[in-house]
Amino acid sequence: KQEVTQIPAALSVPEGENLVLNCSFTDSAIYNLQWFRQDPGKGLTSLLLIQSSQREQTSGRLNASLDKSSGRSTLYIAASQPGDSATYLCAVIGAQKLVFGQGTRLTINP
Amino acid sequence: DAMVIQNPRYQVTQFGKPVTLSCSQTLNHNVMYWYQQKSSQAPKLLFHYYDKDFNNEADTPDNFQSRRPNTSFCFLDIRSPGLGDAAMYLCATSRDLGASETQYFGPGTRLLVL
Repeated sequence: KQEVTQIPAALSVPEGENLVLNCSFTDSAIYNLQWFRQDPGKGLTSLLLIQSSQREQTSGRLNASLDKSSGRSTLYIAASQPGDSATYLCAVIGAQKLVFGQGTRLTINP
Repeated sequence: DAMVIQNPRYQVTQFGKPVTLSCSQTLNHNVMYWYQQKSSQAPKLLFHYYDKDFNNEADTPDNFQSRRPNTSFCFLDIRSPGLGDAAMYLCATSRDLGASETQYFGPGTRLLVL
C-alpha cells in the first residue's frame, strides 16, 4: 500500500527566503507526482505535475524535483512571499488513484 | 471562470439526518471524484465515476453513496451522518482516467454534524 509522507508538518520562515518542502513515498512504481496548494478552508490548486520519466518541473518561482528510485520529491520555492502561505500537499499517482500526503503548512512572515 | 463548482460551501446537518452535497463541472470531463478530508489530514478518495460507471473504494463506508445523473453533475449522499463524518468534502474532475491526467478540484464543502 502506497504511503506518502511530508516533513515537516509545519514550517515558518521570513519573507524572501528560499525554502524546500519534502515529500517521500514508499512505492516507487508511480506514474507521476503532483504538488497542490490549499488555502485555509479552500479546495486544492494544482501547482506542478511531474511525469515519472521527468526529473523536474518549473513554474515561476516553483521548482519540483522527482527521484523515483529513492522515493522522494522536493518543492523548491524561491524568494518566498507572504502570499505563499498555505498548505502544500504532494500526491502520487499509481493505479489511477491519487494518494496524498498530509501536507506541510507553510507560513511566510513579513 | 469556475470550472468545478461545489454547493453549498458550508453545510450543517444533524446527527443521523441525510444530507446531499453537490458538484458540477463546466469542463465536460469524463471522470468525477469525491474525496473526504478531515482536519489536518490528507484527502481520502471515497469513489469516482468514469462516465456512468461507479467505482467505490474498498474502505468507503456504506453510509456514503453517490449519483451522477449526467456528465455535469455528481452528488454525494450521506445517509446517516455521524459526528465522525464532519470534514471537508472535495470534488474533482479529470478528462479521462490515466496517470497523466490532471485532476481539477472544486473549492470544497465543509460539513458540520451537530
